[in-house]
Amino acid sequence: DAGVTQSPTHLIKTRGQQVTLRCSPKSGHDTVSWYQQALGQGPQFIFQYYEEEERQRGNFPDRFSGHQFPNYSSELNVNALLLGDSALYLCASSLGGINQPQHFGDGTRLSIL
Amino acid sequence: KNQVEQSPQSLIILEGKNCTLQCNYTVSPFSNLRWYKQDTGRGPVSLTIMTFSENTKSNGRYTATLDADTKQSSLHITASQLSDSASYICVVSARGDRGKLIFGQGTELSVKP
Repeated sequence: DAGVTQSPTHLIKTRGQQVTLRCSPKSGHDTVSWYQQALGQGPQFIFQYYEEEERQRGNFPDRFSGHQFPNYSSELNVNALLLGDSALYLCASSLGGINQPQHFGDGTRLSIL
Repeated sequence: KNQVEQSPQSLIILEGKNCTLQCNYTVSPFSNLRWYKQDTGRGPVSLTIMTFSENTKSNGRYTATLDADTKQSSLHITASQLSDSASYICVVSARGDRGKLIFGQGTELSVKP
């Protein structure tokens, strides 16, 4: 039973470019959340998808957008990349309510030059 | 503002010794508190989840406590091992937020031989 998988593992982009990160949730999970983790910091909540809709959003600009597909997999898109977008992007999946554990993938390391 | 603060920021201990990590939060209304272990370059892995009514929970050598009145939690690690070297992150969920988590900045634990 595969856990949460993310791709790619590493990515290098330049300022102004656009990027798409992908996440496959743990089997049986229906909710996907995305987090940004700067070096030496805890993860910051970006947004959450459930039933193919964005249900909640953190304090991130509209340059950050996402999508959830019928198979529950998800994408995170970031437009007009800034140097400050360099971070580890984590995807977490869960099933059911907030008392259920979230399972994290190992993230995508995004570097902006 | 919902916040989670952890102390100390970093800690070095000798293998075999015990240690305790602290977490204070101001999240309201409170739903549950989780402790995660994050190895370098990996996603966080859940250690414990505690709801309002639980004041202690163990997972092997890890024991978490929760005082919902003072809004404090601690994670006690017994008989530390070299593999315990990691970042330990306290995470709080607010009631009404499906899976939205508020992360502390983490405590970086280094276990030396």
